[in-house]
Amino acid sequence: GESVGLHLPTLSVQEGDNSIINCAYSNSASDYFIWYKQESGKGPQFIIDIRSNMDKRQGQRVTVLLNKTVKHLSLQIAATQPGDSAVYFCAEKVDSSYKLIFGSGTRLLVRP
Amino acid sequence: NAGVTQTPKFQVLKTGQSMTLQCAQDMNHNSMYWYRQDPGMGLRLIYYSASEGTTDKGEVPNGYNVSRLNKREFSLRLESAAPSQTSVYFCASRGPPARWQYFGPGTRLTVT
Repeated sequence: GESVGLHLPTLSVQEGDNSIINCAYSNSASDYFIWYKQESGKGPQFIIDIRSNMDKRQGQRVTVLLNKTVKHLSLQIAATQPGDSAVYFCAEKVDSSYKLIFGSGTRLLVRP
Repeated sequence: NAGVTQTPKFQVLKTGQSMTLQCAQDMNHNSMYWYRQDPGMGLRLIYYSASEGTTDKGEVPNGYNVSRLNKREFSLRLESAAPSQTSVYFCASRGPPARWQYFGPGTRLTVT
């Protein structure tokens, strides 16, 4: 069953296209930002993180960009696949206890 | 290696009833967390435990209590359930080699 509600921002992309998911954060003091993926009926799964002293970090098919000037974070997914359909959350590390503050999420739908 | 397990998967309670949500991890992680996820929102931290024997309040602790029974187990108790506690509850753990929280599959709780 669904883990989140029906009123999330939704991004619909064609299979094979690139996807860009955006996130605004609030705490200028956060030293890490993290992206999680949540498939329907499952718990969030870590995708990639970026330290605040970096602007860009690449993983396998994913890239995270950080713009500290405007407090903006984005997740780029290359060659989007049906298995990428999920809700994506950004999160920021709050303090030394590694507590996280989560954004409200974006639903990614991949059209075949 | 089961990761993080949660029981039950689903639960329906009447207002005023009590129950305990169970969480266990087999990754030898020191830190454990309880979150709730409401429709259209990200996860919000209820309580966390940085290590065995310690617990601390998160963002939304009212109406909940926790017990860190041992290193593996971290339970969440609702003493008198209210409809506002209808949500999906996620447990997470964190420890080497993972930097970030590893989530369980969730418990969907409905309070009528």
